[in-house]
Amino acid sequence: AQKVTQAQTEISVVEKEDVTLDCVYETRDTTYYLFWYKQPPSGELVFLIRRNSFDEQNEISGRYSWNFQKSTSSFNFTITASQVVDSAVYFCALRLLSAGNMLTFGGGTRLMVKP
Amino acid sequence: KAGVTQTPRYLIKTRGQQVTLSCSPISGHRSVSWYQQTPGQGLQFLFEYFSETQRNKGNFPGRFSGRQFSNSRSEMNVSTLELGDSALYLCASSPEAGESYEQYFGPGTRLTVT
Repeated sequence: AQKVTQAQTEISVVEKEDVTLDCVYETRDTTYYLFWYKQPPSGELVFLIRRNSFDEQNEISGRYSWNFQKSTSSFNFTITASQVVDSAVYFCALRLLSAGNMLTFGGGTRLMVKP
Repeated sequence: KAGVTQTPRYLIKTRGQQVTLSCSPISGHRSVSWYQQTPGQGLQFLFEYFSETQRNKGNFPGRFSGRQFSNSRSEMNVSTLELGDSALYLCASSPEAGESYEQYFGPGTRLTVT
């Protein structure tokens, strides 16, 4: 069975600090997709990024960057120069090609960015 | 395009009652999935519908059921409500099933069972 672990339940940083959110996944499938979602206090999950298992290229989007390493089954998320608006709960999720659209979520990391 | 909409946004029910939640996917999306979010169990997959057929079901009791209509709108029903059913219920839609499509989530329905 698949599993996603986000070991950091809560992180607190001061604005402009860089912060990395860790995500480790487990699966025996060879084709899968990894996601990061942001959940602000309003509750809606906001899609941030998708990565498939065959694409280990790191990605940068503005202040956000993602590091996917199959060798360590990790898909970490870094926010550079954090801002107060980045405060939210962040979820890492795994979807297997064999399991339709079913997402397996990690427990989430609550990020608090203080001014 | 309008996003995923869920109604109602908030609901208070009493133990033993039943409840029906509704989800309208993004126009053109044919896959709808439902998730339950609680502080203790986190985000858990309930079921997925595609073209009016249930494709996948999570590990929930039979009190939880759902359906999808020909216009892709979906409803989920919980019968004989228990206190532990209090949760945020999230619906997500995607264009097709599987492949590399991301899912877009609605704002959720917060259900409180008293």
